Formats: sequence, C-alpha cells, structure tokens
Amino acid sequence: QKEVEQDPGPLSVPEGAIVSLNCTYSNSAFQYFMWYRQYSRKGPELLMYTYSSGNKEDGRFTAQVDKSSKYISLFIRDSQPSDSATYLCAMSDAGGTSYGKLTFGQGTILTVHP
Amino acid sequence: DGGITQSPKYLFRKEGQNVTLSCEQNLNHDAMYWYRQDPGQGLRLIYYSQIVNDFQKGDIAEGYSVSREKKESFPLTVTSAQKNPTAFYLCASSGRGVETQYFGPGTRLLVL
Repeated sequence: QKEVEQDPGPLSVPEGAIVSLNCTYSNSAFQYFMWYRQYSRKGPELLMYTYSSGNKEDGRFTAQVDKSSKYISLFIRDSQPSDSATYLCAMSDAGGTSYGKLTFGQGTILTVHP
Repeated sequence: DGGITQSPKYLFRKEGQNVTLSCEQNLNHDAMYWYRQDPGQGLRLIYYSQIVNDFQKGDIAEGYSVSREKKESFPLTVTSAQKNPTAFYLCASSGRGVETQYFGPGTRLLVL
C-alpha cells in the first residue's frame, strides 16, 4: 500500500463546476500538506500549503485537511478551462527541520471543458 | 528574475552512455532535489542535498549520481547502469526549515 493515494482520474467537468480533488494517506506523522498544479510538459507549481488540520482559502481554491481521517481535499470553485492540468498532493513530516522530504500522490488529471 | 532553470529541455541517450542534466537556482535556497516522473506514478525522489558538498540518496538512487560543488548548482548524471532512464526529470529547491519546494521546468530524457 502506498503512503499517499490519489485517484488518477481523469476527471472531466464543464466550465463553472465545483471540482473536488482528494488524497488519503497512512502516515500519521505528516503535518504539512501541499497541492501542486502541473501543466502538460511543465514543472509543478505550488498552489496551496497548509499545516495540520483545517481549511485554507485562496481565491477560487480551498484546501482542507482532516488529520483524524487522514484525508485532504482541494476544492476549485467556478472552474475554468485554464484549470485543466494535473493536480498533485504532497505531504511532509519534517516539522520545521532543515530538510523536508515530500511524499507525492500519483496526480489527478483534470480537464475543464467550455 | 529568480527561479530554477534546467537544461536541456530534451535529451537523447544512446545505449551505454552517461548523460548529465543541469539544474541551477538563484533563489539562494540551501536544499536541492532531483525527482523522476513517470506516467501514473507521481514524483519519486532520486537524490537530495541540504548543503554544499553533501548529498543523500532518495528512494530510487540506483543508476544515478550527483554533485553539489556550488550552492546554486546540482547536476544529475544518468549512468549506463540505469536500465530504464526514459522519464521526465524535475529539479526542485527549498529554503532551510521550509517544507515547500519549488520546481524547475523539467528535462525529458529519451533513449535512442
């Protein structure tokens, strides 16, 4: 069993839909949670970063962490064709030390069609 | 204009050949990383370095080698011992005590 599980999709939605992307994990030591967006043939770019449980909102994006269930989510409101990309969840148990190894999910391919 | 650069964008390797992928950053980050990305498998860590002249193996280091002679540079060599090198290679960096990593644009390695 992988430490981080992410549904690879693909996920196809119409423009304006609410998108929910999810990851589950098994390592209870994970404290830092990130979402990256990766366009085709490009490097991943950091989208959201959260610490421990709770919600964090940034524009149309909301990241949610439920440590008790070992479950994280990324919600995209009013989705746009420009949101079409692969979304990767990543997590770390570094706790502020000088090195934080990230463990990634497999990535979910999202397509938003006009 | 701060960031991470990787070169070349595409690289072709012949059988038995060693090839070197370049990674440079001007973010003044202490830590640098190399990942391999295969379809449907996410990112897997090859090597990482926290400071100059020091580096550690990641999860899939066999068939790869690195050096860290300068803070800004972390080249990756794919040796002939790596039997399945075709993949998308990503370099990343992060500041000390910071979990978030920032990625370069990647190098796609293909075998002739």
